[in-house]
Amino acid sequence: QKEVEQNSGPLSVPEGAIASLNCTYSDRGSQSFFWYRQYSGKSPELIMFIYSNGDKEDGRFTAQLNKASQYVSLLIRDSQPSDSATYLCAVKPSGTYKYIFGTGTRLKVLA
Amino acid sequence: DAGVTQSPTHLIKTRGQHVTLRCSPISGHKSVSWYQQVLGQGPQFIFQYYEKEERGRGNFPDRFSARQFPNYSSELNVNALLLGDSALYLCASSLLSAGGLGANVLTFGAGSRLTVL
Repeated sequence: QKEVEQNSGPLSVPEGAIASLNCTYSDRGSQSFFWYRQYSGKSPELIMFIYSNGDKEDGRFTAQLNKASQYVSLLIRDSQPSDSATYLCAVKPSGTYKYIFGTGTRLKVLA
Repeated sequence: DAGVTQSPTHLIKTRGQHVTLRCSPISGHKSVSWYQQVLGQGPQFIFQYYEKEERGRGNFPDRFSARQFPNYSSELNVNALLLGDSALYLCASSLLSAGGLGANVLTFGAGSRLTVL
């Protein structure tokens, strides 16, 4: 079992729709969870992070965390073609210095 | 404010050669981490340095080494290059190392793309 799992996609959604990206992790001791966006040929850029169970909203983005189910998701409302990118889920286990990344989900927003 | 800066941006080496990649963190950040990203995969942790000391090492061979300087900049060295070392090497900086919640958000540089022929 991989430490952080994501569906590689591509996930295709029409412009204006809600895109839902999912991630599961194996280490129950993980406390910090991050979503990064990576455009082709570029480096990852932070979208948002979440530490507590529940939802965290930032503009069109909502992160959802369920530690009991070891599941974190990212919702993108009113998806735009400019949102087309690979979305990386990252988990930082408690007491460690490293982030563990999933392989990323490629999102395509169709105009 | 300048973000995380890395150099060189692109480089081509041949098998067996050595490479040095450089990174300057965001001003005020004392922690630097290095990640390797192979095409189609997520970044893999190589090293983290905090206050010039190695605080973590990923599952990479001893051909990989790094150091952090008094000004918090960092170098990643890779010896005896293999074809499989071809990747995007990412440097990230953060305020603290294994700190409390909210203390360790990584900001990545643009990366150094290494091609080994």
